[in-house]
Amino acid sequence: NFMLTQPHSVSESPGKTVTISCTRSSGSIASNYVQWYQQRPGSAPTTVIYEDNQRPSGVPDRFSGSIDSSSNSASLTISGLKTEDEADYYCQSYDSSNPWVFGGGTKLTVL
Amino acid sequence: QVQLQESGPGLVKPSETLSLTCTVSGGSISSYYWSWIRQPPGKGLEWIGYIYYSGSTNYNPSLKSRVTISVDTSKNQFSLKLSSVTAADTAVYYCARAPPTIFGTPYYMDVWGKGTTVTVSS
Repeated sequence: NFMLTQPHSVSESPGKTVTISCTRSSGSIASNYVQWYQQRPGSAPTTVIYEDNQRPSGVPDRFSGSIDSSSNSASLTISGLKTEDEADYYCQSYDSSNPWVFGGGTKLTVL
Repeated sequence: QVQLQESGPGLVKPSETLSLTCTVSGGSISSYYWSWIRQPPGKGLEWIGYIYYSGSTNYNPSLKSRVTISVDTSKNQFSLKLSSVTAADTAVYYCARAPPTIFGTPYYMDVWGKGTTVTVSS
């Protein structure tokens, strides 16, 4: 079994850029796609990135995803931060033994 | 535009079976996988399991002994049953759609329901 570890919280000012990391405990991050979900307070999650770096239609290009094999981690980068980006963000991946594993979530505060 | 709506009792007694249904509107249940995810109060997301429209299933190993997911294509619905519930099963339960992939099995959700709160208490 593997785990996905995210920072508990990050904060940044409007207009700036923030990056949220997601580190895989075992197995290669590059072996299985990583997804990112946004959950605004009191709402259901929505998908902002799938297949490492693909954006669903309707998600602004301020959101981007990447993976780094050297650190065995994935990252979600949000540029031009807006107050509406304030939310919890969850990474998710899988392998043959654990079809879907979620990270613990990161609370983004836009100050 | 596909929409998902969870329904079912908001209160379940300990040791009983939690039963929820997800109704799919605006599209067909065919050709997709359909999943259940839950979120305990103040905590993160936990995948429960998914079902293909044809009926094949895959469950979280940690819940597998207590979970049954079924599908009714005639009603465009799929359902969750979780047996022998305890207070630890108190959560918001979400249903979601998972597109099939080139690998066959799904690995992400693209449409989510709004969620329904289930409390386990006597």
